[in-house]
Amino acid sequence: DVKVTQSSRYLVKRTGEKVFLECVQDMDHENMFWYRQDPGLGLRLIYFSYDVKMKEKGDIPEGYSVSREKKERFSLILESASTNQTSMYLCASRSPPTGYEKLFFGSGTQLSVL
Amino acid sequence: DAKTTQPPSMDCAEGRAANLPCNHSTISGNEYVYWYRQIHSQGPQYIIHGLKNNETNEMASLIITEDRKSSTLILPHATLRDTAVYYCIAQGSSYKLIFGSGTRLLVRP
Repeated sequence: DVKVTQSSRYLVKRTGEKVFLECVQDMDHENMFWYRQDPGLGLRLIYFSYDVKMKEKGDIPEGYSVSREKKERFSLILESASTNQTSMYLCASRSPPTGYEKLFFGSGTQLSVL
Repeated sequence: DAKTTQPPSMDCAEGRAANLPCNHSTISGNEYVYWYRQIHSQGPQYIIHGLKNNETNEMASLIITEDRKSSTLILPHATLRDTAVYYCIAQGSSYKLIFGSGTRLLVRP
């Protein structure tokens, strides 16, 4: 089975800190995604990456950046954390689409910014 | 991407079939129907998908009406571990899946 591992389950940071969320997948998937999930708002796409060193903005990229130096690892960076970035962050991966979408998700990182 | 409508919550007894409905009346011909579920404090998990025909796998069955305007996810013998939020998504080939509010299924002992 595909395994998508997020480095931290819970994280507490202070306003203004630079925050790194790490995600690793073990199935050689080309595509990787970062979502955030907030009550009542569903999952919203922050950034995605087609392949190494390639990235595209999703629906809500402001305040975030990403890094994909190796195929298996996709990092989400909060340049200067703010309280409105308190959320559940979910990483996902998939093989290139073959007409349908099957995403594999990590367990999520619950980030609290104080 | 077609809009989907699901009941906010449902419940069923353990061991019975759970039938979760989804309306997607604006679905277009090339859009698949996907079902994911999210157990509390975990990431969403893929369950099944279909285009026109009914589908079955080890987790569930998916029944799509002939006009493709609605579908039903069937968990044939629900267990307590099936308690989760179930998301129905109707979407074509795209880099992102749009998750709505889903149906919160409670399986009662």
